[in-house]
Amino acid sequence: QQQVKQSPQSLIVQKGGISIINCAYENTAFDYFPWYQQFPGKGPALLIAIRPDVSEKKEGRFTISFNKSAKQFSLHIMDSQPGDSATYFCAASRNSGNTPLVFGKGTRLSVIA
Amino acid sequence: DAGITQSPRHKVTETGTPVTLRCHQTENHRYMYWYRQDPGHGLRLIHYSYGVKDTDKGEVSDGYSVSRSKTEDFLLTLESATSSQTSVYFCAIRPLAGGSTDTQYFGPGTRLTVL
Repeated sequence: QQQVKQSPQSLIVQKGGISIINCAYENTAFDYFPWYQQFPGKGPALLIAIRPDVSEKKEGRFTISFNKSAKQFSLHIMDSQPGDSATYFCAASRNSGNTPLVFGKGTRLSVIA
Repeated sequence: DAGITQSPRHKVTETGTPVTLRCHQTENHRYMYWYRQDPGHGLRLIHYSYGVKDTDKGEVSDGYSVSRSKTEDFLLTLESATSSQTSVYFCAIRPLAGGSTDTQYFGPGTRLTVL
């Protein structure tokens, strides 16, 4: 049973455009939703995260939108740049001590000039 | 890099041989995790540890064992490597102080090829 479903698997966006990646979760006990960015040959790095007490969080060009009733959250990358080309993972966890993150399968983003 | 190192970074081995991967952290974090990353599967949890000698299984633990005899080291062992264990292995830690205590930070990874 996949607890976090991520789409699309791959995405091609023009430079300056908006990249949107979506995730849906099943476990209503999840209360922490991070996004990770991974470049080839590197480990995933935390990009931005949100908790369900807010519907949106913005950090620079990156925004998480969260819909608790629909059990969905999404990453928006505004003014996408070629340097944003990477694989993005959404994840979720419960704040119950040792509960590990559960990851989506990832989205490979390519930003073309 | 959250003070995480993994060794070796690359390894090629043959089917049936034992393999041990090491994750080392320098900041005495209690929680440590081993994931494997495969195309189309994302990151899948193998085992994790919440203290010295305290470990638990993850989603894909079959064929793997772990040990944590001291805080700074978390070892992942493939007792008899199989080709299906060819993967990139990531270690992660989770700080319990400062910033978000739910965040996990990842090491640089070990690329393992089983021939």
